[in-house]
Amino acid sequence: QSALTQPPSVSGSPGQSVTISCTGTSSDVGSYNRVSWYQQPPGTAPKLMIYEVSNRPSGVPDRFSGSKSGNTASLTISGLQAEDEADYYCSSYTSSSPWVFGGGTKLTVL
Amino acid sequence: EVQLVESGGGLVQPGRSLRLSCAASGFTFDDYAMHWVRQAPGKGLEWVSGISWNSGSIGYADSVKGRFTISRDNAKNSLYLQMNSLRAEDTALYYCAKAGGIQLWSAFDYWGQGTLVTVSS
Repeated sequence: QSALTQPPSVSGSPGQSVTISCTGTSSDVGSYNRVSWYQQPPGTAPKLMIYEVSNRPSGVPDRFSGSKSGNTASLTISGLQAEDEADYYCSSYTSSSPWVFGGGTKLTVL
Repeated sequence: EVQLVESGGGLVQPGRSLRLSCAASGFTFDDYAMHWVRQAPGKGLEWVSGISWNSGSIGYADSVKGRFTISRDNAKNSLYLQMNSLRAEDTALYYCAKAGGIQLWSAFDYWGQGTLVTVSS
């Protein structure tokens, strides 16, 4: 099972918006609305930020939003804050092994 | 408060075995699927294995299929990963993760802090 494709890095200034893409195939992202996003600051465990493409768990700020078009899902963070600096991973349910992750994207807040 | 505490990691020689455990608390364990996810040093996340609430559905990544076995004991609120024929490429921090529902397709809503497995001679 190949990993989903994410950009290695993105950056933005405080207050700006950034979007992280996650490209899969018709066997994963394109077929299931089971895409989730995780935030992992350095040295910590991952935290669920978005599930089922666009749903936020309780406690996640509404600055975080998710969407999907075809085989590509996206995470948008608006009103960037310094505390958003972290690695972000997408994940999708698949038709083969149940889950696959993206390679991760390092978000830098300038 | 949901708590997931992994244990059992350590230094092991290639070809040997290791059994990881995850003690769960703060939720009704047998209402949720559970997973193992690993992260090699400096690398990204890799899903390893998952098990549904009643052990009726189990899945493995191709990289561990035939070598690793996931199991759970709902009476003990515990998740396990038996790892055999370990390889250097299995070196990673192994996270226990709770799913948001009873089946494997729910996202991972809580994670433990991980237990480190190092495979080296």
